[in-house]
Amino acid sequence: DVKVTQSSRYLVKRTGEKVFLECVQDMDHENMFWYRQDPGLGLRLIYFSYDVKMKEKGDIPEGYSVSREKKERFSLILESASTNQTSMYLCASIPGQGWGGELFFGEGSRLTVL
Amino acid sequence: RKEVEQDPGPFNVPEGATVAFNCTYSNSASQSFFWYRQDCRKEPKLLMSVYSSGNEDGRFTAQLNRASQYMSLLIRDSKLSDSATYLCVVNMNDMRFGAGTRLTVKP
Repeated sequence: DVKVTQSSRYLVKRTGEKVFLECVQDMDHENMFWYRQDPGLGLRLIYFSYDVKMKEKGDIPEGYSVSREKKERFSLILESASTNQTSMYLCASIPGQGWGGELFFGEGSRLTVL
Repeated sequence: RKEVEQDPGPFNVPEGATVAFNCTYSNSASQSFFWYRQDCRKEPKLLMSVYSSGNEDGRFTAQLNRASQYMSLLIRDSKLSDSATYLCVVNMNDMRFGAGTRLTVKP
């Protein structure tokens, strides 16, 4: 069965802390994505990666960075967390080059920055 | 202008009603199109892909108009279990989501 696992379901951090959100998929998918979801705004793309060590900016990369050292793992990093980064973060993966298939999501990580 | 725009909703309909969701997208080179469903406090899940010729899956019909950069989802004979947020998704060399339209089906 397809599986995308996000390391933490709920996190509470303080302003200025460095935050790591980890995502692992067991489907050998090439493409992985990080979104944040906020009420009324839907899912907004932060970064995506189509291969190991490759990354592309999405709509809202400011304040975030990513790391893809291994195919199965895509990490989202908040270098210095701020209150406006309080959100639900969703990781997803999709196989192949055509992206005609299904995005598989993790269960999400709800981050609160105090 | 947003890359993918949807009806803001919410829609509140009685059981058995027909409801339509609309979505427009900005990039004419977009390659593939989808509707996702998201239940409260859950991750989005694929409802159906959308093909140029239109496609149907039971009570659900998806349409695509590439010339107008528009897609739609029609739900016939709505059920209580259809209550969810419906998200349109467009592949523009990444996967872009609309803000979603919330549907509540009432007895």
